[in-house]
Amino acid sequence: GEDVEQSLFLSVREGDSSVINCTYTDSSSTYLYWYKQEPGAGLQLLTYIFSNMDMKQDQRLTVLLNKKDKHLSLRIADTQTGDSAIYFCAERRAAGNKLTFGGGTRVLVKP
Amino acid sequence: DSGVTQTPKHLITATGQRVTLRCSPRSGDLSVYWYQQSLDQGLQFLIQYYNGEERAKGNILERFSAQQFPDLHSELNLSSLELGDSALYFCASSPPGTGVNEQFFGPGTRLTVL
Repeated sequence: GEDVEQSLFLSVREGDSSVINCTYTDSSSTYLYWYKQEPGAGLQLLTYIFSNMDMKQDQRLTVLLNKKDKHLSLRIADTQTGDSAIYFCAERRAAGNKLTFGGGTRVLVKP
Repeated sequence: DSGVTQTPKHLITATGQRVTLRCSPRSGDLSVYWYQQSLDQGLQFLIQYYNGEERAKGNILERFSAQQFPDLHSELNLSSLELGDSALYFCASSPPGTGVNEQFFGPGTRLTVL
């Protein structure tokens, strides 16, 4: 996923907020997604945002999209130990259904 | 549980061999996607099928091929295996007719080539 970049690692204390960042390069992206991968498991879709939106909130999750800067973030409020996982952002471009994934951010929640 | 099943869970084989990975999509989903996840390449899209027909191709090697059968299950065939093919192979499926294209991932098949 050389067109979608994420930082490698984030450490956060239980109860704090986590913010995971992602940048992408294709301005034709239509939808952007956040997936979670727990150890030994497949990817689980957490949330998504349509490219004409700036923000989407879903319970503890808030997605912010800055289209001008091609920057996407995922905020997890009140982070729990069960949130420890690898988080992937992905973009879907205007042409086709394939997703291009970032390299993933490993989030470690410390008690 | 996403509803997507993949078999086998683990596969260990030798260089030069051929293997087949199998995927059953969620009930009602017509699209199947194959992805390869490795430490050095990350998560890479390989190929997509929709209702039996190839729809999109990504970074899939010529040694690899896939197909989707009338019952919508899909198989990914990997031949002349090399050490570098060791990876997690995921299958995902998505329902028809939604602009969102939510993809539901299976648990993956871990391939080890010795």
